Amino acid sequence: KAGVTQTPRYLIKTRGQQVTLSCSPISGHRSVSWYQQTPGQGLQFLFEYFSETQRNKGNFPGRFSGRQFSNSRSEMNVSTLELGDSALYLCASSLEGAGYQPQHFGDGTRLSIL
Amino acid sequence: DQQVKQNSPSLSVQEGRISILNCDYTNSMFDYFLWYKKYPAEGPTFLISISSIKDKNEDGRFTVFLNKSAKHLSLHIVPSQPGDSAVYFCAASVNTGTASKLTFGTGTRLQVTL
Repeated sequence: KAGVTQTPRYLIKTRGQQVTLSCSPISGHRSVSWYQQTPGQGLQFLFEYFSETQRNKGNFPGRFSGRQFSNSRSEMNVSTLELGDSALYLCASSLEGAGYQPQHFGDGTRLSIL
Repeated sequence: DQQVKQNSPSLSVQEGRISILNCDYTNSMFDYFLWYKKYPAEGPTFLISISSIKDKNEDGRFTVFLNKSAKHLSLHIVPSQPGDSAVYFCAASVNTGTASKLTFGTGTRLQVTL
């Protein structure tokens, strides 16, 4: 069974640009969550999507947005990139996103801002 | 406000002995707890979880204990193996029935020595 797939694995951008990251969940999983991992802040929740709707949101500015497609694949977009956005972005999927079900993570996209 | 805390940044254990990783939380609404293992350049891998109605859950060499009154959980690995060397994160969530997000601790780096 294929795991969570994130593309691209590495990305280099400059300040002010925008970026789109992609996540394909485990087959049959309908909930997709995004996390940011930095050395200073650890793993922090960005948002969760379920049935193409954002169901939960963390404390990040509006520059961070996402969407989910009918096949449960999800994209995350960051606009007007800042140096502090350099991080590992992780996507996780679960069956329903509730009811004591674990989330399973992809290997992440490493975003570097120059 | 760090709602999930892992106060030991690192732990070294001899092969064959028991590894005990600890985690404390402050939010009494948390009712689902998980442990993840993370190798460099990979996403977190789900290990074991426990819901708040239980105080112990076992899966092979891994056992998680939950003490709700102390708001404390621990992961026991017996016997420890060199392949267990990784960063371990505990995570917690509030399962409202409609959505969940994981709040992570800062991680404990476990090194299993020969």
